[in-house]
Amino acid sequence: AQTVTQSQPEMSVQEAETVTLSCTYDTSESDYYLFWYKQPPSRQMILVIRQEAYKQQNATENRFSVNFQKAAKSFSLKISDSQLGDAAMYFCAYRSNYQLIWGAGTKLIIKP
Amino acid sequence: KAGVTQTPRYLIKTRGQQVTLSCSPISGHRSVSWYQQTPGQGLQFLFEYFSETQRNKGNFPGRFSGRQFSNSRSEMNVSTLELGDSALYLCASSLNRLYEQYFGPGTRLTVT
Repeated sequence: AQTVTQSQPEMSVQEAETVTLSCTYDTSESDYYLFWYKQPPSRQMILVIRQEAYKQQNATENRFSVNFQKAAKSFSLKISDSQLGDAAMYFCAYRSNYQLIWGAGTKLIIKP
Repeated sequence: KAGVTQTPRYLIKTRGQQVTLSCSPISGHRSVSWYQQTPGQGLQFLFEYFSETQRNKGNFPGRFSGRQFSNSRSEMNVSTLELGDSALYLCASSLNRLYEQYFGPGTRLTVT
């Protein structure tokens, strides 16, 4: 069975600096999708970025980018120029059989 | 385009009662998935509906059920509520089963 592990329960970063959130997963599948979602205090789950496993190029969305290492089964999220609005829980998710399997989440704190 | 809507947003029920939650997907989206989020268990997949048929079900007892209507709106029902059913219930829709999921604001259910 697929599993997703986020080993950092909490991270903090100074506003305007860069932070990297870690995610590892376990799977025997060769083709799959990975996602990062953000859940601010409002509880609305927001899609941040997605990565197709067959693509070698790392996905990028404005200040958000991923470092996808397929062989190592690692999928980290880098947030550049951190802003106060980035404060939230960040969840890494793996899509398997049309359902999402989630990590436990990392709480990101932005220090002004 | 309007996002995913869920009603009600908050609900308080007594143990033993039953409850129905509603989800309206983004217009044109045909797949609806439900997730339960609790502090102890994190995010867990409940079920997925596509074209009015349940395609996948997570590891939840039969007290949890759902359905999807011809307009893709979905409902989930929990019968004989238990204290442990207190959670945030999230609904997500996607264009079809292969695309990324977009989430509603959730329904916060409290069972007393």
